[in-house]
Amino acid sequence: DAKTTQPTSMDCAEGRAANLPCNHSTISGNEYVYWYRQIHSQGPQYIIHGLKNNETNEMASLIITEDRKSSTLILPHATLRDTAVYYCIVRFGNQFYFGTGTSLTVIP
Amino acid sequence: DAMVIQNPRYQVTQFGKPVTLSCSQTLNHNVMYWYQQKSSQAPKLLFHYYDKDFNNEADTPDNFQSRRPNTSFCFLDIRSPGLGDAAMYLCATAMGQKQYFGPGTRLTVL
Repeated sequence: DAKTTQPTSMDCAEGRAANLPCNHSTISGNEYVYWYRQIHSQGPQYIIHGLKNNETNEMASLIITEDRKSSTLILPHATLRDTAVYYCIVRFGNQFYFGTGTSLTVIP
Repeated sequence: DAMVIQNPRYQVTQFGKPVTLSCSQTLNHNVMYWYQQKSSQAPKLLFHYYDKDFNNEADTPDNFQSRRPNTSFCFLDIRSPGLGDAAMYLCATAMGQKQYFGPGTRLTVL
């Protein structure tokens, strides 16, 4: 059973913020939420992760709801190079379980 | 600077002919993973090693085996490839919080 659910696809205008949602309603207290992205025919690339606090780094921000049942990845100023499949992942111990992914298209 | 290296990038094998995919890392990470990714699907965890400890996912077919002779190398053996095993195979490492993925090996089964 999938641990995360994501919309299949989204579009975003170049320069605007891209907000990618993820539901992880069965997450347990010690499971982290990770986001990776995958550009066609390449290995997934780490973006950000968190447990219960909101996180920000040079690539993105991660907003986790207080009940931890959902989260949102925010790319503040999307560029054409951000077009990729974005995966929301739940990590339990050393195991990373990928969700179905959202295909984000950034439109000029 | 390649950190997780997968060879070959493209592998063609025949139905039922054993095949081995290779992964090496320069990161000295203690955890290594193998994922299977079929077309338009998310990567699916097959198994992982924590140092020498092997951890198999419950739904990984017996047809898939793995070896980790040392910290740097990990191999995926497919004993009798079927047409349904055609996929991208991704190797990853982890130490601490992040996973680092290789570029993948695309396996074609004829």
